[in-house]
Amino acid sequence: QSALIQPRSVSGSPGQSVTISCTGTSSDIGASTFVSWYQHHPGQAPRLIIYNVFKWPSGVPDRFSGSKSGNTASLTISGLQAEDEADYYCCSYTGRYTLVFGGGTKLTVL
Amino acid sequence: EVQLVESGGGLVQPGGSLRLSCVASGFTSSRQWMNWVRQAPGKGLEWVANIKQDGIEKYYVDSVKGRFTISRDNARNSAYLQMDSLRVEDTAVYYCATLTYSWDLDKWGQGTLVTVSS
Repeated sequence: QSALIQPRSVSGSPGQSVTISCTGTSSDIGASTFVSWYQHHPGQAPRLIIYNVFKWPSGVPDRFSGSKSGNTASLTISGLQAEDEADYYCCSYTGRYTLVFGGGTKLTVL
Repeated sequence: EVQLVESGGGLVQPGGSLRLSCVASGFTSSRQWMNWVRQAPGKGLEWVANIKQDGIEKYYVDSVKGRFTISRDNARNSAYLQMDSLRVEDTAVYYCATLTYSWDLDKWGQGTLVTVSS
């Protein structure tokens, strides 16, 4: 199972919006509503921020939003804040009781 | 407080073995699949293995099949990862995490570092 494809880095200024793409195949993202996103600050535990493509876990601000079209999922962060600077990972169920992650995207808040 | 705490990491030589533990507190872990996810230095997250609530169904990423074994003890709210025939490329921080019915990982531990080096 190959990793999902994400851009290595994105950046934006405070208050702006950024979108991170995550491209898979018709066997994972294209076939599943079980797409999730994780925020990871180095040295900390990863944090679930989006599940089921677009749903928010309790406590996650709605500045984070998810979507999917075909084999590509996207995470949009609106109203960028300094604390959003982190690594972001998409993840998809593969249909065979396993998961696959994207390679990760480093978000820099300028 | 809901918590997952991993332990058992350390330095091991190639070909060696290590057993990781993950203890859950503040919730009933027996109701969820348990997973192990790793992050090699400078690399991204990689899903490694999971185990169903009953401890019978287990799944692995291809690169660890035949070398790693996941298990759980629901009475101890714990999950384990037995790692044998370790390779240099297994060097990583290993996280345990719980899986929801939506196949997302909702709770994570802080991780334990495994270093495979001679």
